Amino acid sequence: AQSVTQLDSQVPVFEEAPVELRCNYSSSVSVYLFWYVQYPNQGLQLLLKYLSGSTLVKGINGFEAEFNKSQTSFHLRKPSVHISDTAEYFCAVLIEGAQKLVFGQGTRLTINP
Amino acid sequence: EPEVTQTPSHQVTQMGQEVILRCVPISNHLYFYWYRQILGQKVEFLVSFYNNEISEKSEIFDDQFSVERPDGSNFTLKIRSTKLEDSAMYFCASSSFSNQPQHFGDGTRLSIL
Repeated sequence: AQSVTQLDSQVPVFEEAPVELRCNYSSSVSVYLFWYVQYPNQGLQLLLKYLSGSTLVKGINGFEAEFNKSQTSFHLRKPSVHISDTAEYFCAVLIEGAQKLVFGQGTRLTINP
Repeated sequence: EPEVTQTPSHQVTQMGQEVILRCVPISNHLYFYWYRQILGQKVEFLVSFYNNEISEKSEIFDDQFSVERPDGSNFTLKIRSTKLEDSAMYFCASSSFSNQPQHFGDGTRLSIL
């Protein structure tokens, strides 16, 4: 069975500092990978996706992620965070040929001034 | 930008009552989904729907649950006889194809008393 692990449940960082949110997955077949962001009292918004091609993908709000097949990872990064980035971030995997997204537990990113 | 809309935003229901959660997916999308998130837990897949039939469902989606696309725009989730453990945030999502990103609504918070 497929699974997604987000290693950090909470990540506090100072404003303008860089951040990395970690995501690892397990699957024996090809996958598509996604990061979603959930702001307080809102739904899940797509941040970025990896479907194929370049392993470094760029998303909205200055975020990027790198797909590493050998390490089965898809870590999310931003070089300089802003207060408005405070939210919960979810990594998700879609197995090729399937339709259900499998989510990680989420990482709560807190930005301190 | 087109979006998925869900109504109501909050639903309070007595245990044992039927509840219908409503969703309007993005208009040119072909695949529709329901997920739920119990407070403090992962987002979990419930069901996917394509070409007017269920294409995939999880073990959570038992006989108490049903989905319907009653017209060309709405997509509904019905829980026949609600239990306390059905209390959760329910998210509707849609995608253009099965391997494309799923776009989520803001969710319906279901509280069972």
